Amino acid sequence: GNSVTQMEGPVTLSEEAFLTINCTYTATGYPSLFWYVQYPGEGLQLLLKATKADDKGSNKGFEATYRKETTSFHLEKGSVQVSDSAVYFCALSEGSTLGRLYFGRGTQLTVWP
Amino acid sequence: DVKVTQSSRYLVKRTGEKVFLECVQDMDHENMFWYRQDPGLGLRLIYFSYDVKMKEKGDIPEGYSVSREKKERFSLILESASTNQTSMYLCASSRVNYGYTFGSGTRLTVV
Repeated sequence: GNSVTQMEGPVTLSEEAFLTINCTYTATGYPSLFWYVQYPGEGLQLLLKATKADDKGSNKGFEATYRKETTSFHLEKGSVQVSDSAVYFCALSEGSTLGRLYFGRGTQLTVWP
Repeated sequence: DVKVTQSSRYLVKRTGEKVFLECVQDMDHENMFWYRQDPGLGLRLIYFSYDVKMKEKGDIPEGYSVSREKKERFSLILESASTNQTSMYLCASSRVNYGYTFGSGTRLTVV
């Protein structure tokens, strides 16, 4: 079946530190992979996505590369800001039909000034 | 931009009440979903629908039902609310080539 495992939090960093949130997946076929962000009191927003192996998704300084050989999609940012404090979710969908999403449990990130 | 609107941001209901959570999207998306979000558990799928009058069970359908009479509206129904259904409920819609869009969520408290 399909599943997503992501690094447990909470993660606490100082401003300008390097961020990595690990995400690995199990899937049948060729999934699309996503990172979503949820700011306090809000719904989920798409942060970035990748639809095939070796694709790199990027947005707002965040990056993630779809690695089929290691079934991973780790989120990275070179220099975090206080405004990046949020909950981050890794997710997958089967193929490109945009059916149901399978989510990881979320990682709470807090960035201190 | 596609908008997914959930009718209530906060709800407080009594145990045993029948509860309706409404979700409306304005961009002709075929697919609609209801998720439940709990700390440490992430988002779990309750029900989804790929077309009008169609519905599929997700991972945790017990105690819930859904209705999709029109393409733009997907309702989640708690037949007899219980305290273990206190949670954040998120609605989403999707369409090929357009991606997913999530609503802002309804925080339901059952007392």
